Amino acid sequence: QSVLTQPPSASGTPGQRVTISCSGSSSNIGSGYVYWYQKLPGTAPKLLIYKNNQRPSGVPDRFSGSKSGTSASLAISGLRSEDEADYYCSAWDGSLTGWLFGGGTKLTVL
Amino acid sequence: QVQLVESGGGVVQPGRSLRLSCAASGFTFSTYAMHWIRQAPGKGLEWVTFVTNDGSGKFYTDSVKGRFTISRDNSKNTLSLQMDNLRAEDTAVYYCARDLPNTGFDYWGQGTPVTVSS
Repeated sequence: QSVLTQPPSASGTPGQRVTISCSGSSSNIGSGYVYWYQKLPGTAPKLLIYKNNQRPSGVPDRFSGSKSGTSASLAISGLRSEDEADYYCSAWDGSLTGWLFGGGTKLTVL
Repeated sequence: QVQLVESGGGVVQPGRSLRLSCAASGFTFSTYAMHWIRQAPGKGLEWVTFVTNDGSGKFYTDSVKGRFTISRDNSKNTLSLQMDNLRAEDTAVYYCARDLPNTGFDYWGQGTPVTVSS
C-alpha cells in the first residue's frame, strides 16, 4: 500500500473535467512539492505538473494541479481520448528520505 | 536533444547479480541528480534510488538497501545500478531519470526490463 493514496480509477466523457486526488502526510505532501506524471502503456512516464501547479513546456493548459495541506489534486479539463492513461502523484518524504509515488489512477475516457 | 538510454536488463536467477547502465546525452550530466525508478508488471511506479549530481549523496528505498548500489561517472555521462542478491520482487522495468531541485523527473529513459526467475 502506497504512502501517497490515489483512487485506483477515474473516468469521464470527452469534454468533461475530471480530478484525481492524492493524499499524503505532513512528512511528504504537507512539507514539500507535489509532482504529477502521465504513464501510457509501453512508454516512459511524462512529467505533467511540477511544484504543485507548474506545467512544463509543451503540457497543455487543460492539465492543472493544486495542493492544500497534505492533499493534492490533478485536474484535466476538456477531456480527450488521448488522455486515457495512468496518472501518478509524487513527493519527497523527509522522514523516509526518499521519493514516493502514489499507487496510480487509471483514467478511462468513456 | 536530451537522451537517456538504459541497458543491461535481462533474465537472471534469484540471488544473482545484474548491472544496469544509463547513457546520458544532450545535457550537462554533472548538473543533475539521477534516479532509478521501476515498474513491476501490473504495478505502479516505485522510486528505487538516486545519486546527487556530484555523486556524494546516495539514497535508497528500504527494500533495496544493502543489495543495490547506484553510481555515476560524470566524465563518461553514465549512471549505473549494481543489483546484487536479486529477488523475484525486483522483476520490473527499470527507468533512469534526471532531476534538478524542484523540477521533477523531467526526462526519462525508455526503460530496461529485468526478470528475476529460476
